[in-house]
Amino acid sequence: GDSVTQMEGPVTLSEEACLTINCTYTATGYPSLFWYVQYPGEGLQLLLKATKADDKGSNKGFEATYRKETTSFHLEKGSVQVSDSAVYFCALSGIPSNTGKLIFGQGTTLQVKP
Amino acid sequence: DAGVTQSPTHLIKTRGQHVTLRCSPISGHKSVSWYQQVLGQGPQFIFQYYEKEERGRGNFPDRFSARQFPNYSSELNVNALLLGDSALYLCASSLEGGAQTQYFGPGTRLLVL
Repeated sequence: GDSVTQMEGPVTLSEEACLTINCTYTATGYPSLFWYVQYPGEGLQLLLKATKADDKGSNKGFEATYRKETTSFHLEKGSVQVSDSAVYFCALSGIPSNTGKLIFGQGTTLQVKP
Repeated sequence: DAGVTQSPTHLIKTRGQHVTLRCSPISGHKSVSWYQQVLGQGPQFIFQYYEKEERGRGNFPDRFSARQFPNYSSELNVNALLLGDSALYLCASSLEGGAQTQYFGPGTRLLVL
């Protein structure tokens, strides 16, 4: 079945360092791909999305490109801030898409130190 | 505009009891989805409702049920609670059903003792 695999955390970086969180997926068809962020004690916030191959989603300095050939959707940011410390989830829209099912990875914790 | 709201924020129940969780979607959104997030894991899909009809169901037992009201708000009911039902229950709304972008509420944290 469809699935999402994320790199294990925690990822610890110094402020202004570059970030990459790897995400690969297995899916039938052509799902939409999403990155959500969860701050401590809160629900999930949509960070960015891409709906078809080669689309690039971007928001708040974060980017991810839908790579069909490598079935990947890696999250990148050029310069992280302490406020970016959170858990990041990669997700895809399950098939059949009319069920509304999102399939999430296990999450990657990011800690940014001053 | 207000986002997705959920109530209560926290809840403590004992095994065997029943619980009802509530969700109000973003204004104009007609679809509500429910997810269970166990500590340290990603959310797991439970249901999606669109226009009061169930559109999708995840791999959860029949103890879990839900419904959607004419104003598009929704309730998630869980019967015969087990210790393993302790989790954060997230509600998400979208304009329509299916693969539309989903916007999440803050969640209800349920502890079963």
